[in-house]
Amino acid sequence: EVQLVQSGTEVKKPGESLKISCQGSEYRFTSYWIGWVRQMPGKGLEWMGIIYPGDSDTRYSPSFQGQVTISGDKSISTAYLQWSSLKASDTAMYYCARLRSSGYYPDAFDIWGQGTMVIVSS
Amino acid sequence: QSALTQPRSVSGSPGQSVTISCTGTSSDVGTYNYVSWYRQHPGKAPKLMIYDVSQRPSGVPDRFSGSKSGNTASLTISGLQAEDEADYYCCSYAGSYTFVFGGGTKLTVL
Repeated sequence: EVQLVQSGTEVKKPGESLKISCQGSEYRFTSYWIGWVRQMPGKGLEWMGIIYPGDSDTRYSPSFQGQVTISGDKSISTAYLQWSSLKASDTAMYYCARLRSSGYYPDAFDIWGQGTMVIVSS
Repeated sequence: QSALTQPRSVSGSPGQSVTISCTGTSSDVGTYNYVSWYRQHPGKAPKLMIYDVSQRPSGVPDRFSGSKSGNTASLTISGLQAEDEADYYCCSYAGSYTFVFGGGTKLTVL
């Protein structure tokens, strides 16, 4: 079964750093873009950015550029989302999702991870 | 890059049809036929229901259909069932390998 498995819940203090992970299985990890999506408590989905594990090409939403770093390790089929200095406003559920493609561009998120809850509180 | 506009809520009775709209701009929905729709039940991860405006992934019932006209895409759910009660989000490719989601619509099955 094709799946993405994310790391577990994190509870951090403001100013701390964090790196969460998303590991793919049962498909060629290097051939599909992986995206990250934020969902703040009681709110909607927000696209943060994507990475192509094959060559680490990375694109960010203007809203998240400079706020987070997306990276990957294709040797272990894993994508990462990291913060250097967390804020209380980073408290949210974070989903990774695989991007399918019908042709030239990636077009939809077809496989989703279970989500990683990040809680930032003093 | 502003969020796509969706109605906050829609409702319908079992067996009826409902349509959820998703309005973007000429930079996203209006230019690209890469609109997708997701269903999210409380506490669960989103699930892809429609991609490329009107295509259904394997396993999604044909009660779900999608369309687009100009800068507005639509998701229609016919033969409403209790399990359809959820939040629905649209998403569009916006060029340069970027994406934008809609604000989400809460569907209530009366």
